[in-house]
Amino acid sequence: QKEVEQNSGPLSVPEGAIASLNCTYSDRGSQSFFWYRQYSGKSPELIMSIYSNGDKEDGRFTAQLNKASQYVSLLIRDSQPSDSATYLCAVNTGGFKTIFGAGTRLFVKA
Amino acid sequence: NAGVTQTPKFQVLKTGQSMTLQCAQDMNHNSMYWYRQDPGMGLRLIYYSASEGTTDKGEVPNGYNVSRLNKREFSLRLESAAPSQTSVYFCASSEKVYEQYFGPGTRLTVT
Repeated sequence: QKEVEQNSGPLSVPEGAIASLNCTYSDRGSQSFFWYRQYSGKSPELIMSIYSNGDKEDGRFTAQLNKASQYVSLLIRDSQPSDSATYLCAVNTGGFKTIFGAGTRLFVKA
Repeated sequence: NAGVTQTPKFQVLKTGQSMTLQCAQDMNHNSMYWYRQDPGMGLRLIYYSASEGTTDKGEVPNGYNVSRLNKREFSLRLESAAPSQTSVYFCASSEKVYEQYFGPGTRLTVT
């Protein structure tokens, strides 16, 4: 069974610090990788997508992909209290089926 | 530009009742999806529609049916609701390499 694993947290970081969120996946043939942010009681919101090995930066967010080790990570620089949310890792394993991890809860302390 | 809309936002059903969840998108996306989200679990795909006129089963299709009414609309039907279908249901759509955009969700309780 194809799986996406995340530490459920909560991950607690002080305001202004770097938050590091990690995700591993089981299907070595996966090609597309996504990070979604979900505030409590709200719907998931796409914040990053990455398709090739290495780093991809967008503002304070950096996604990192290592296909050989089958992990993808999200770094949030200068963390703000408004970044407090659950972050979902998602992996497209081919076709139209995307597998979502259960999410990591992030808490940024002011 | 509303993105993805869902109705209703909340629903309480008794076991055995039926209902249809509605979803519409105005982004001209070809693909649409229905997920359910349960505490401690990731989003699980119920059904998807790769394009208008096609639908396919996802990971957890039992107890559900779908209709892709046109390019904009994709509905999910529960024919005989069961307590195990208590969940939050999200509709999503995508165009570019499966980057999905989600609706606000429907919170369903089956008693």
